Amino acid sequence: SQQGEEDPQALSIQEGENATMNCSYKTSINNLQWYRQNSGRGLVHLILIRSNEREKHSGRLRVTLDTSKKSSSLLITASRAADTASYFCATDAKETSGSRLTFGEGTQLTVNP
Amino acid sequence: NAGVTQTPKFQVLKTGQSMTLQCAQDMNHEYMSWYRQDPGMGLRLIHYSVGAGITDQGEVPNGYNVSRSTTEDFPLRLLSAAPSQTSVYFCASSYSGRFYGYTFGSGTRLTVV
Repeated sequence: SQQGEEDPQALSIQEGENATMNCSYKTSINNLQWYRQNSGRGLVHLILIRSNEREKHSGRLRVTLDTSKKSSSLLITASRAADTASYFCATDAKETSGSRLTFGEGTQLTVNP
Repeated sequence: NAGVTQTPKFQVLKTGQSMTLQCAQDMNHEYMSWYRQDPGMGLRLIHYSVGAGITDQGEVPNGYNVSRSTTEDFPLRLLSAAPSQTSVYFCASSYSGRFYGYTFGSGTRLTVV
């Protein structure tokens, strides 16, 4: 079964708007990672947030982590048509020490020009 | 170009045939993994390795074998292909999954008829 669950499954917004995706997980983690996948391509690593961090920024991306609620959110600000992709959260469970990730089913983001 | 190289990109097999999906990375990463991606199911871990000579099973290992004789290569063998193995296969590597994200290959689209 999947460790992470993304919400919503699909999101459609206009260019320039912000996009927020959420991820919930079940076990204790070392870190949580977000990936982007363009249609027909491999996954691209976006950001990693460790269990002792609450917020992390990278360019237009902002990730938050709430370990008490076992949830994370990815915010993309000022979205562009090129941000259209599927976004996945992945967790590194405490007992696996980075050797294996468990992925959610992803959020399909569509940014309309 | 540095990265993860997967071959072939596309493959059609008949039920019962065997084949090897190749994966090579030139980043001196210790951690390598194989995932399969099916529609609506995110990525599921097949096998993973934390270094040359060390492999372990993931979530869906049945019907697949791996070996890791060198740091660079991590081939995935389908022993006797079944239609249920029709999927997109991704190889990924990381310097240390605990503190770094994974780099993914571009995938192998496999169809078993």
